[in-house]
Formats: sequence, structure tokens, C-alpha cells
Amino acid sequence: QKEVEQDPGPLSVPEGAIVSLNCTYSNSAFQYFMWYRQYSRKGPELLMYTYSSGNKEDGRFTAQVDKSSKYISLFIRDSQPSDSATYLCAMSAGSYRGGKLIFGQGTELSVKP
Amino acid sequence: KAGVTQTPRYLIKTRGQQVTLSCSPISGHRSVSWYQQTPGQGLQFLFEYFSETQRNKGNFPGRFSGRQFSNSRSEMNVSTLELGDSALYLCASSPSQGDAYNEQFFGPGTRLTVL
Repeated sequence: QKEVEQDPGPLSVPEGAIVSLNCTYSNSAFQYFMWYRQYSRKGPELLMYTYSSGNKEDGRFTAQVDKSSKYISLFIRDSQPSDSATYLCAMSAGSYRGGKLIFGQGTELSVKP
Repeated sequence: KAGVTQTPRYLIKTRGQQVTLSCSPISGHRSVSWYQQTPGQGLQFLFEYFSETQRNKGNFPGRFSGRQFSNSRSEMNVSTLELGDSALYLCASSPSQGDAYNEQFFGPGTRLTVL
């Protein structure tokens, strides 16, 4: 079993929909939780990070971490065609100064106009 | 500020050969990490270098190696290539300093095809 599980999709939604992306994990040592977005033929770019449990909001994006359930989520409100990409969750047990990131498989999202 | 650059962007090799990939981090960044991305396994951590020393290592065979130079540029080498080594190899750099969370910035990757 992988340390981080993420439904690979693909997920297709109409423009304006609320999108929910999720990951589960097994390693209780994870402290930092990240969501990356990867467009085709590009490297991943960081969308949001959260330390420990809680919620974090940035514009149309909200990240939630529930350490008791070992479950993290990313919500995208008012989804746009430009949000079409692969979304990867990532986690780290190390210090905030870097180190090994463990990624989920990635969920391919398509937002239709 | 220029982003992370990786060269070459595309590479085709045959089984048994070796390959060297290069990564130039963002100016001022001291940590460089390497990842392998494949459709089957996703993104997997290879290793991290900081101040020319390997600080973290993933679960890859010894055929995969790396190094970092004094200017923080990094190279990774794969010897005796196998078909399964075909992947996108991503490099990420991070400042790795201070008291706030240090984001890892990814380059565009090198697409390696082994025939």
C-alpha cells in the first residue's frame, strides 16, 4: 500500500462547479501538506501548503487537513477552464526547510466551458 | 528571477547506456531535490542535496546517483539504463533557510526515453 493515496480520476466538471479533490495517507509523521498543480509539459507548481491540521483559504482555493482521519482535501470554487490540470497532493515529515516530499498519484481535472 | 532550469529537455538513450541530467536552481537556493515521474508510479523522490552533501535519499537502486557543485547546480546520473527508467525527471530547488516554510520550486523536467 502506498503512503499517500489519491484518486487519479480523470474528473470532468462544467465551468462554475465546485471541485473536491482528496488524499488519504498512512504515515502519522507527516506534518506539512501541500497541493501542487501541474499543467501538461510543465513542472508542478505549489498552490497551497498547510502545517498540521486546519483549513487554509486562498481566493477560490481552500485546503483542509484532518490529521485524526489522515485525510486532506482541496476545494476549488467557481472552477474555470484554466483550472484544467493535474492536481497532486504532497506531504512531508521533515523540517520546513525542505527534504523529501511524498506525492499522491495526481488527479487529472478537466473543466468544460 | 529566473526559475529552475533543466537540460536537456528531451533525451533518447538505449538500454545499457548511461545518462547525465543537469539542474540549475533558482539563484540563492541551496537545496536541490530530484524526482522521477511515471504514469504508473507517479512522482517519486530520488534524493536531495544541500551544500554539496546528500541530505535525503529515496528508495532507488544505486544506478541512480547525483551530486551538487559549489554553485548549487546539480547533476544526476543513471548508469546501465533500463526500459523502466523512461520517465520525466524533475528537479526542485528550495532556499532551505529561515524560519518559514520553504517552498520547493520545480523545473520543467527532462523527458528521458530508453529504447
